Amino acid sequence: GQQVMQIPQYQHVQEGEDFTTYCNSSTTLSNIQWYKQRPGGHPVFLIQLVKSGEVKKQKRLTFQFGEAKKNSSLHITATQTTDVGTYFCAGPTALGAGNNRKLIWGLGTSLAVNP
Amino acid sequence: SAVISQKPSRDICQRGTSLTIQCQVDSQVTMMFWYRQQPGQSLTLIATANQGSEATYESGFVIDKFPISRPNLTFSTLTVSNMSPEDSSIYLCSVRQWANYGYTFGSGTRLTVV
Repeated sequence: GQQVMQIPQYQHVQEGEDFTTYCNSSTTLSNIQWYKQRPGGHPVFLIQLVKSGEVKKQKRLTFQFGEAKKNSSLHITATQTTDVGTYFCAGPTALGAGNNRKLIWGLGTSLAVNP
Repeated sequence: SAVISQKPSRDICQRGTSLTIQCQVDSQVTMMFWYRQQPGQSLTLIATANQGSEATYESGFVIDKFPISRPNLTFSTLTVSNMSPEDSSIYLCSVRQWANYGYTFGSGTRLTVV
């Protein structure tokens, strides 16, 4: 079945270091979404990428969607303690339509930042 | 994006009992999604709830165990029935309003079954 793999599972960095998490889908995705979940919180939508090769930036966060629309990455420059949490990628299944497609979630990358 | 009010935020329940979780959305949405998340794990979809029809359950989840109601376009409930300690988890509801935006989640219900 359709799968979304995400690596690494955990990452521990010193504040100020960069961080990258990678997402790979077993099938081509119409879009990929990234979420952040703070410890004890719920997932919060960060961004959606739709186009092949798309790159989007949100301050220190850079999101990329691969040319084949099967992989994606999230890069954080100069991490801060506020970046702590788990970052999930998710892509819609091939079934269903529009807003009603369910999501296939990666396992997430937990980021810890030492001050 | 939509705002979801989810209740209760947490509960400790005796095995064999049932708990009903409520989600109220501040706008009308077609579909509501119910997830389960074990601490430190990813999200697992339980079912998709459409107003006016029976919910669609994912493999491994059945209506008798997780009955869902969707009486209107802004509200849904998930009941965890005949609970056992294995049901201890975080339960989340979620909606999506627009195709160019992601999913919004409720704040979650942290359930502990003793």
